[in-house]
Amino acid sequence: EAGVAQSPRYKIIEKRQSVAFWCNPISGHATLYWYQQILGQGPKLLIQFQNNGVVDDSQLPKDRFSAERLKGVDSTLKIQPAKLEDSAVYLCASSLSQQGRYGGYTFGSGTRLTVV
Amino acid sequence: AQKITQTQPGMFVQEKEAVTLDCTYDTSDPSYGLFWYKQPSSGEMIFLIYQGSYDQQNATEGRYSLNFQKARKSANLVISASQLGDSAMYFCAMREGGTGGFKTIFGAGTRLFVKA
Repeated sequence: EAGVAQSPRYKIIEKRQSVAFWCNPISGHATLYWYQQILGQGPKLLIQFQNNGVVDDSQLPKDRFSAERLKGVDSTLKIQPAKLEDSAVYLCASSLSQQGRYGGYTFGSGTRLTVV
Repeated sequence: AQKITQTQPGMFVQEKEAVTLDCTYDTSDPSYGLFWYKQPSSGEMIFLIYQGSYDQQNATEGRYSLNFQKARKSANLVISASQLGDSAMYFCAMREGGTGGFKTIFGAGTRLFVKA
């Protein structure tokens, strides 16, 4: 089966600019996650979707970050305006359900964002 | 308070030897899941192994086994017969939650170096 697709792979922007990331999960996976991984740290959950509804966005900086998952399939994560501290790898993951018991999550290759 | 603690920032192991990566966790939820992921330098997160809080047996997947000590709240990963390709970051993760939605949080990771 095809994996989780993410684009772009790399992005460099200036602070205060906006940027968008795209994720296409594995076909049939109802649950989609966006994680932020700052260099040297573990991934931090930003937002979790179940189909096209938001399950958890408690750690999403809503003043600058937004995400949507129209039609319950692919998703976009946007940052506007970007700050230097947003430099990180943004990982998208999907699972069949929230339980994800036996397979864990399947992650995409991530988008490495550098804000200068 | 840290919910997932990985106390070893870096570990060295000789090729073909076994290595244990430590992970302790904190939760009051009686039902939870524990995961280990591998992150090579290429950046993708690869699911390795899963242990449920009610599982009686320690999980095993090929050369990976999870030493689950529930009373001590530890879930150490054991890699047997280390290979050069095992050099990577390893993350311990815990999923907890229920009707309000499941959430998976990650530790800070341990970098494993396998020496030839």
